[in-house]
Amino acid sequence: AQSVTQLDSHVSVSEGTPVLLRCNYSSSYSPSLFWYVQHPNKGLQLLLKYTSAATLVKGINGFEAEFKKSETSFHLTKPSAHMSDAAEYFCVVSDPGGSYIPTFGRGTSLIVHP
Amino acid sequence: NAGVMQNPRHLVRRRGQEARLRCSPMKGHSHVYWYRQLPEEGLKFMVYLQKENIIDESGMPKERFSAEFPKEGPSILRIQQVVRGDSAAYFCASSPPTSGRPTGELFFGEGSRLTVL
Repeated sequence: AQSVTQLDSHVSVSEGTPVLLRCNYSSSYSPSLFWYVQHPNKGLQLLLKYTSAATLVKGINGFEAEFKKSETSFHLTKPSAHMSDAAEYFCVVSDPGGSYIPTFGRGTSLIVHP
Repeated sequence: NAGVMQNPRHLVRRRGQEARLRCSPMKGHSHVYWYRQLPEEGLKFMVYLQKENIIDESGMPKERFSAEFPKEGPSILRIQQVVRGDSAAYFCASSPPTSGRPTGELFFGEGSRLTVL
């Protein structure tokens, strides 16, 4: 069985400071991992994905994430937050060798203060 | 290249009526997923379909809910005799065909927001 836990329901940062959104996963196989962003009343947009290539993955809008198998983590980071980064972020796990249904975390709301 | 198209974007129904939500996947995509999102919650899987086949419906309520993805036309999520608890955003996502299992990468529509009065 696969699952994903987003450790913070809300993260608040000041504009220009680093962002860290935490995600831990559970998987019986070698997982694929994704981060999606959702702005209010919009659909979800893929930020980045890990599919067993390089463990440090770079995505759009300056975001990146590092796959750490020993810690079963896939935390999302950005060096400097922009006001436009304020949104809901979802960590997603998919087991290509097991259940192929992507499983979503509950989401982390990123709040950016001026 | 149009993305995933969902309609209607907003739908209001009274208790007991039927709701039909439509989803046209991206061109060339043959896998469709439906998810439901309640306020302050993540996305909950409902059903996974390929053309003319339901592959996994483990997240669908046993009654009142059904889904199809016909050979021609959009995928339809149908909710009969709606109740207030059905009020939610319903998202459709598609993924391209692969030689093996799907990769898990999804392309989302903007959602259909159902309000039941």
